[in-house]
Amino acid sequence: GAVVSQHPSWVICKSGTSVKIECRSLDFQATTMFWYRQFPKQSLMLMATSNEGSKATYEQGVEKDKFLINHASLTLSTLTVTSAHPEDSSFYICSGGPSSYNSPLHFGNGTRLTVT
Amino acid sequence: DAKTTQPPSMDCAEGRAANLPCNHSTISGNEYVYWYRQIHSQGPQYIIHGLKNNETNEMASLIITEDRKSSTLILPHATLRDTAVYYCIVRAAGSGGSNYKLTFGKGTLLTVNP
Repeated sequence: GAVVSQHPSWVICKSGTSVKIECRSLDFQATTMFWYRQFPKQSLMLMATSNEGSKATYEQGVEKDKFLINHASLTLSTLTVTSAHPEDSSFYICSGGPSSYNSPLHFGNGTRLTVT
Repeated sequence: DAKTTQPPSMDCAEGRAANLPCNHSTISGNEYVYWYRQIHSQGPQYIIHGLKNNETNEMASLIITEDRKSSTLILPHATLRDTAVYYCIVRAAGSGGSNYKLTFGKGTLLTVNP
């Protein structure tokens, strides 16, 4: 099946700094990738849709200036959490898949962000 | 996308079959049923998906009722490593874009007991 690689798997940063998370599709080209966030004991919540070569689409309530998404190639999407605060501490997960009509999405192993 | 309903939790004995139900009574004709699972602190893992026929792969079987309003994921011989949250998700067929997204509910926590 399709493989999605996410890096780093965990990161600790100080309040006010920025953190970049990378999501790569290893064996397929992804024109669209998705970024999710998961708080403890909760389900995954979609944050944004990352579109190759164009602007990302953000879900309601997600600040686009805080969560910067770049999808410059068909195999790489990045999420940058800018000016991170402790409430941004969460599990961030990306996903993607071959763009055929019923292909499943595949997920990275997630990034555990802790903001101190 | 149609909404799904799953029991919050289930238990299963190791070595026995685990049958996880899912209701999707408002499913549309072009919507597929997908199953994923999430083991603690990992990304979701794709298991299986289907439209109207029963499906089987090396991980599981998917049984979809004739009216497509419900389905059952079957793990034929559950092991301790199958303990996870299982998500049943309905998604329309499409060629990509934002319609390609998966919307997660709360899922079923399956605990496999020794």
